[in-house]
Amino acid sequence: AQTVTQSQPEMSVQEAETVTLSCTYDTSESDYYLFWYKQPPSRQMILVIRQEAYKQQNATENRFSVNFQKAAKSFSLKISDSQLGDAAMYFCAYRIIIQGAQKLVFGQGTRLTINP
Amino acid sequence: KAGVTQTPRYLIKTRGQQVTLSCSPISGHRSVSWYQQTPGQGLQFLFEYFSETQRNKGNFPGRFSGRQFSNSRSEMNVSTLELGDSALYLCASSLGDPGRRSGNTIYFGEGSWLTVV
Repeated sequence: AQTVTQSQPEMSVQEAETVTLSCTYDTSESDYYLFWYKQPPSRQMILVIRQEAYKQQNATENRFSVNFQKAAKSFSLKISDSQLGDAAMYFCAYRIIIQGAQKLVFGQGTRLTINP
Repeated sequence: KAGVTQTPRYLIKTRGQQVTLSCSPISGHRSVSWYQQTPGQGLQFLFEYFSETQRNKGNFPGRFSGRQFSNSRSEMNVSTLELGDSALYLCASSLGDPGRRSGNTIYFGEGSWLTVV
């Protein structure tokens, strides 16, 4: 089964501190991409960071970094120096290619609150 | 460079009616996909189009359909609306052939909010 699990429905963190959002997934595919998307109250899905499964090096984008453990099928997101603008729903997703088409499989999301 | 544009942003329909939602991908992007987001089911894949061909379809009834035009713009249609079709419908685009391994980061629009009463 192709599933993504985000075990933390809600998280909160003090402004300027670090928070880690967890994500595990299950796929039988060997070639895939992993993403974290952020969905603020405007509801637009904004790409935060992506990781290619064949790359061992963890991706980083400014204050955002991932801990990708392929064997464990784990893909956590670390947000450093949290800012008020980071408050949003965060979705973990993986992209698979099946028969010439692609599809994103999403987790249920983690709502992140930033406390000033 | 403009992002993915969806219209209309908000609409209210009556049960039994039909609705058409429109999506203009990022300029140069040829792949368009649609997702439905509801509080209960989360984000679910509807379908994907590339070069006017449907490449993939999610597990939705036949009332949900779509198409893509030669300029890569896409429309999705829902006929005989049911209350459970109330959702945020998100369109996404990516650059190249979705069946290829590399480079296909998927970018989303702001969504179309559909309320069925």
